[in-house]
Order: sequence, then structure tokens, then C-alpha cells
Amino acid sequence: QQQVKQSPQSLIVQKGGISIINCAYENTAFDYFPWYQQFPGKGPALLIAIRPDVSEKKEGRFTISFNKSAKQFSLHIMDSQPGDSATYFCAAGGGGNKLTFGTGTQLKVEL
Amino acid sequence: SAVISQKPSRDICQRGTSLTIQCQVDSQVTMMFWYRQQPGQSLTLIATANQGSEATYESGFVIDKFPISRPNLTFSTLTVSNMSPEDSSIYLCSVVTSGGETQYFGPGTRLLVL
Repeated sequence: QQQVKQSPQSLIVQKGGISIINCAYENTAFDYFPWYQQFPGKGPALLIAIRPDVSEKKEGRFTISFNKSAKQFSLHIMDSQPGDSATYFCAAGGGGNKLTFGTGTQLKVEL
Repeated sequence: SAVISQKPSRDICQRGTSLTIQCQVDSQVTMMFWYRQQPGQSLTLIATANQGSEATYESGFVIDKFPISRPNLTFSTLTVSNMSPEDSSIYLCSVVTSGGETQYFGPGTRLLVL
């Protein structure tokens, strides 16, 4: 199975709050897990990525947590801002740089 | 990183016609991919564009419907053939630069088939 399951489908967070998006995969051959951010009318842009040899990676307000045994990974956005309102996609990659994308989460950060 | 441009940015086409989408990168890249993103949906990989040889298609996509060319390391085209309204989507080109693993995406081509 090549699926990557993502939840929730949509998320509303207050400004300053923490946004959490979860993904789960089945294929143990996946070894690269990026998160992409997409604004309306734009292509997806890489936000942060992790490999299975670490359990957490942090870049600014964005953190990926990775649980290899559970085959799950999540994105945490700290101090969420209205400018973070976008659609977020998790993805998983194996050989050949091909990516399998999750179904996406529409995040809205309210004032 | 890589700067990617796509032409056209959007188009409205009649069913039964074909549209060719161009993807141009500002530097030589190792891998080029074409994705489809239906309205409000996720990204689905159509094919890997191979330089100088036939593209590698994913399950559910065929060369007769989506012919792809990649004549060099910075350019590729995707043709959507014999279009139907079900082909209305955003078509995205992505690249991986030499020695890297990050996939960079173009701005997309928004296609509406009437």
C-alpha cells in the first residue's frame, strides 16, 4: 500500500495557538517525509522534512515529530499566525525521489 | 533551489482538443515530475519525465492520454490529449536538483475543460 493518511481535513486555530496535523503511512520502504505548504493559486512549497533516523526536527515555529514504530509523523506549528492559513500536505518518499502525498489539511488561523 | 515557470498559467479548452503545458527550470535538474491536483484535492503523480527517453507513467495514467517530452535537463512538456471535463485540474511540474532530495514545484497550470 502506498497510501499516506492525513488528518484532520480542516483545522481552525486561534492566533498564538498550536496547530497539529497528523499523518500515517504503511509502506516501510518510505525514508523521507516532507511537509508542504500551499497557498491558493500557488504551487506547494517545502516547509520542513525529516528522515527516520531522528524523532524530531525543528525549524523556527515548525516541528516535525516522527514515530517510526507507529509509522506516524506530525507537524506542529507553534504560535500560529494568520499568515499560516494555507493548505498543508504531508508526503512520503522512497527510492527515485517520487513522493506520495497525503490528502491535505486546510488550516485557518483566526485573530 | 530552483525557479520553475509553467506556461500557460491557466486555460479554458473545449472537449476533444489537446493542450500542451510547458515547464522551464532555471538550472539543470536531475528529476522532473508531472502531477495533477484536482480542485480541493491532493497531488497525484502522473509520470516521471526522463531526459532523452520515454516517460515513466504511474498506474492509471497512459502515454496516449498524457504524452510527455523532456528534450534536455531544464525543459519538459506535458500534453493533455482529447480532453474531457474530467481533465479539469491543476497540472504541476516539479523538479529535484542535482545532489538534492527536495522537490520544488512550479506555480501550476489551471485547466478548465468545457
